[in-house]
Amino acid sequence: EVQLVESGGGLVQPGRSLRLSCTASGFTFGDYAMSWVRQAPGKGLEWVGFIRSKAYGGTTEYAASVKGRFTISRDDSKSIAYLQMNSLKTEDTAVYYCTRVRYYDSSGYYFHYWGQGTLVTVSS
Amino acid sequence: EIVLTQSPGTLSLSPGERATLSCRASQSVSSSYLAWYQQKPGQAPRLLIYGASSRATGIPDRFSGSGSGTDFTLTISRLEPEDFAVYYCQQYETFGQGTKVEIK
Repeated sequence: EVQLVESGGGLVQPGRSLRLSCTASGFTFGDYAMSWVRQAPGKGLEWVGFIRSKAYGGTTEYAASVKGRFTISRDDSKSIAYLQMNSLKTEDTAVYYCTRVRYYDSSGYYFHYWGQGTLVTVSS
Repeated sequence: EIVLTQSPGTLSLSPGERATLSCRASQSVSSSYLAWYQQKPGQAPRLLIYGASSRATGIPDRFSGSGSGTDFTLTISRLEPEDFAVYYCQQYETFGQGTKVEIK
């Protein structure tokens, strides 16, 4: 059974940093791209970014709203994906979901499995 | 960047009724790249449909997806109590704003 468990959320002041972890089990983690999607309180879903598998270079892509502040990385030996969030803003307050990405082909993709999410609150 | 517009914003129906949800893209997209998700309060989203019309594992056959080009539809043939939720469409990094299906 595929399981994704996020951790590391909490209350943080604006301008500070936080690192989220996504611990995966039930599949060969290194074979898959992983993505983070967030949801502000009472709002819809917003893609944050993803990291490709090592077979596809392990490269990353980010939403414009977080580019330059957030970094996604992975440790395939531990089956963990990370979201390093720096220079946090109040508008980054959201539940952050870890997802396993599945590609249709070389470009299109969807979010096949989701973790339960971890809440990040940015407030002074 | 593609914009996905879902309608209606809220759909008020009774159990047993048919629900028809729309997702319109701002430009023509490959029909293979459209997915639908269901989200219940306090829960993570769940994949329902991918490739516009393929049901994910374990999804009941009362859920069906259709469409191509810029217009896509999620149909729930007969609403069950557990189907009242918010539904999102997605293509690449873009999500629609969601349609809430509520009990009338």
